[in-house]
Amino acid sequence: EDKVVQSPLSLVVHEGDTVTLNCSYEVTNFRSLLWYKQEKKAPTFLFMLTSSGIEKKSGRLSSILDKKELFSILNITATQTGDSAIYLCAVANNAGNMLTFGGGTRLMVKP
Amino acid sequence: DAGVIQSPRHEVTEMGQEVTLRCKPISGHNSLFWYRQTMMRGLELLIYFNNNVPIDDSGMPEDRFSAKMPNASFSTLKIQPSEPRDSAVYFCASSFGVLNNEQFFGPGTRLTVL
Repeated sequence: EDKVVQSPLSLVVHEGDTVTLNCSYEVTNFRSLLWYKQEKKAPTFLFMLTSSGIEKKSGRLSSILDKKELFSILNITATQTGDSAIYLCAVANNAGNMLTFGGGTRLMVKP
Repeated sequence: DAGVIQSPRHEVTEMGQEVTLRCKPISGHNSLFWYRQTMMRGLELLIYFNNNVPIDDSGMPEDRFSAKMPNASFSTLKIQPSEPRDSAVYFCASSFGVLNNEQFFGPGTRLTVL
């Protein structure tokens, strides 16, 4: 059974801080790892990672995958209050289109 | 595109009643997923369809839950009879293509069973 573990469970920082969110996984026939941001409503897609060592970047957010050590990190630099959300990590295997989600990291950015 | 559409957005019902949640995936997407999210268990996949056919329903909690996808633009998730422990946010998501893992989520239905 595929498994995804995220840490920390929750995090409180101040605006301007840099945060690193962790995601470790166990999956048979790994295909990809995805990061989602969930504010008050539905999760919205951030990144999909398939190759080790290649950083994906979008503004102040970046993510990288290590397929040898079976983890990914999501970095947010110069955090803003609008970054407050639950960040979800999910993995997909080659068997189909299913995603297995981790429990999420709840980030709160204080002014 | 309007994105994934779900209805109702909120549902409050009494224990024992039948509940039907509805989803319209993004046009052209051929995979549809039903998830349930609670504080205790996080986001759990209940069932997913590919080309209107149920592929994996191993996440469906019990026989009280059933899902259908009669055509490419509509799916329902039914709970009969509902119980208080079914209270959760139910998300529908869709994706396009084979083994394309990016899923687009609807706004969710917040279900409260009293």
